[in-house]
Amino acid sequence: AQSVTQLDSQVPVFEEAPVELRCNYSSSVSVYLFWYVQYPNQGLQLLLKYLSGSTLVKGINGFEAEFNKSQTSFHLRKPSVHISDTAEYFCAVSRSNDYKLSFGAGTTVTVRA
Amino acid sequence: DSGVTQTPKHLITATGQRVTLRCSPRSGDLSVYWYQQSLDQGLQFLIQYYNGEERAKGNILERFSAQQFPDLHSELNLSSLELGDSALYFCASSPSGTSPSGANVLTFGAGSRLTVL
Repeated sequence: AQSVTQLDSQVPVFEEAPVELRCNYSSSVSVYLFWYVQYPNQGLQLLLKYLSGSTLVKGINGFEAEFNKSQTSFHLRKPSVHISDTAEYFCAVSRSNDYKLSFGAGTTVTVRA
Repeated sequence: DSGVTQTPKHLITATGQRVTLRCSPRSGDLSVYWYQQSLDQGLQFLIQYYNGEERAKGNILERFSAQQFPDLHSELNLSSLELGDSALYFCASSPSGTSPSGANVLTFGAGSRLTVL
């Protein structure tokens, strides 16, 4: 069964508009949640992470994500995007009984002027 | 620069051949992970090493093998290559061998793009 589901494969958005990327996960144990970004022809860079505590976490480049335990979701948001935010975004989950980081299929964000 | 160095950046080879991808982890990190990124499979975890020992295994084919050396660099060996092995291979490193967490965040290299013709 898919453990990390990114609900949108492609998200086109205009510059300065808000964007939300949806991520749902499945797990019977406690989890750590991450969002990574992959700019064209580059490796993955950590945007933000949720470990515990406040359900709203802030990351780099103005991104934030909200953890919702009841809905097992970890959606990523940015209130106003720039052209430079064009990239692929990956949601990832780490489970307390597992050594690996499991990734979603990715969401390609294309920002247009 | 993430601090994780992967070589080569690009590699083109033929079916049936063998290649070796190299990864130097970030200074101080003891764990190395290998991931394969392809269009149809997405990011797939292959294998993890911690301080020279294999820690976890994922969807790694028997034709593939890896090791981590005493200086902590790692190599991923891909043999009897097939067209379907064409992909971007990422190495990541983290400080410890525990589950990825706030204290054990994975840092990724820029990847090695393998093209099998």
